[in-house]
Amino acid sequence: AQTVTQSQPEMSVQEAETVTLSCTYDTSENNYYLFWYKQPPSRQMILVIRQEAYKQQNATENRFSVNFQKAAKSFSLKISDSQLGDTAMYFCAFMKYAGNNRKLIWGLGTSLAVNP
Amino acid sequence: EPEVTQTPSHQVTQMGQEVILRCVPISNHLYFYWYRQILGQKVEFLVSFYNNEISEKSEIFDDQFSVERPDGSNFTLKIRSTKLEDSAMYFCASSDRTGVEAQYFGPGTRLLVL
Repeated sequence: AQTVTQSQPEMSVQEAETVTLSCTYDTSENNYYLFWYKQPPSRQMILVIRQEAYKQQNATENRFSVNFQKAAKSFSLKISDSQLGDTAMYFCAFMKYAGNNRKLIWGLGTSLAVNP
Repeated sequence: EPEVTQTPSHQVTQMGQEVILRCVPISNHLYFYWYRQILGQKVEFLVSFYNNEISEKSEIFDDQFSVERPDGSNFTLKIRSTKLEDSAMYFCASSDRTGVEAQYFGPGTRLLVL
């Protein structure tokens, strides 16, 4: 069974600085997808970034980028130029690609506080 | 920009009552999901739905739960006889025809069972 581990329950960063959130996963699958979702205090679940396991190039989305290390089963999220609006819970999620099963398996989340 | 919508935003019910949570997925999406998040805890997969049938369900999704797509737009989750431990935030999500693009989430329904 797949598992997702986020080892940092809480983190903080000063506005405008860079922060990296860690995520590791365990799977025997070769084809899968990884995601970071953000959950602000409103509790809406918002997609931040998506990575396809067969692509070596790390995904980027504006100030958000990932460091995907397939052999190490690591998928960290880097937030550059942190903004107050980045304060949220961040979840790492795994999805295997098998038939019509597309469920997301979630980490426990990292609570990020961006301080002024 | 298309978005997933959910109603109601909040629901309070008595233990043993039936509840129906409603979702309108993004219109051209073909995969639909329900997840739940007990306050402060992990997000848990409940069920996925594709081609008018359940494609996968978790052990949480027992006989008390059912899903339905009654028309071309709505996707519902029914809990037949609610328990205290069903209190949670319930999220509906949808993804496109391939299912491998991201899942887009609705704002959630906060269910409180008394």
